[in-house]
Amino acid sequence: DGGITQSPKYLFRKEGQNVTLSCEQNLNHDAMYWYRQDPGQGLRLIYYSQIVNDFQKGDIAEGYSVSREKKESFPLTVTSAQKNPTAFYLCASSVGSGTEAFFGQGTRLTVV
Amino acid sequence: AQSVAQPEDQVNVAEGNPLTVKCTYSVSGNPYLFWYVQYPNRGLQFLLKYITGDNLVKGSYGFEAEFNKSQTSFHLKKPSALVSDSALYFCAVRDGRSGNTGKLIFGQGTTLQVKP
Repeated sequence: DGGITQSPKYLFRKEGQNVTLSCEQNLNHDAMYWYRQDPGQGLRLIYYSQIVNDFQKGDIAEGYSVSREKKESFPLTVTSAQKNPTAFYLCASSVGSGTEAFFGQGTRLTVV
Repeated sequence: AQSVAQPEDQVNVAEGNPLTVKCTYSVSGNPYLFWYVQYPNRGLQFLLKYITGDNLVKGSYGFEAEFNKSQTSFHLKKPSALVSDSALYFCAVRDGRSGNTGKLIFGQGTTLQVKP
């Protein structure tokens, strides 16, 4: 089956720890995105990548880092510099600007 | 800069009645517009899109949307609402000038509540 896989579904982080969220797609899409979802604030763009080895900051990139070493993979690291990381994180991909994005099922990150 | 506004946090409608979820946008170039639906604790599902052509676009599950360039709007509609349509709806925009792919910006979301 083609699609986007995010793992883990639930993740707990202690204060001061870095954690990495996985996002893998087998759709052969060039573009990939990371969004953060908080109640009442919709989806906010963290980072996006249009091609391998290239990525751009979104609107709320501070405290996050990404890599795009392979077309299929776009992992997101939530660093200790992110002061309020508890949120629902969504990964998406698309093949071109006129096409819709496909979303993974999300990772819920909680700071404990 | 790109932006999307969904002016209503929640829309309530009775089952069988028509529904409208509003969306307005701002982009520098031609807009590529999308509607998505989200059920609790899940990812977003694509409903429909406007790229070019006919201003009225039809999508999944009986939904449609009308592109209005002069009002910079892309409202989502359905002639007869179902209880199962109750969910969170997102409008999104991409600037058509920004090359092969570009930033995809979402609105704040509108909760649709359909009562039996």
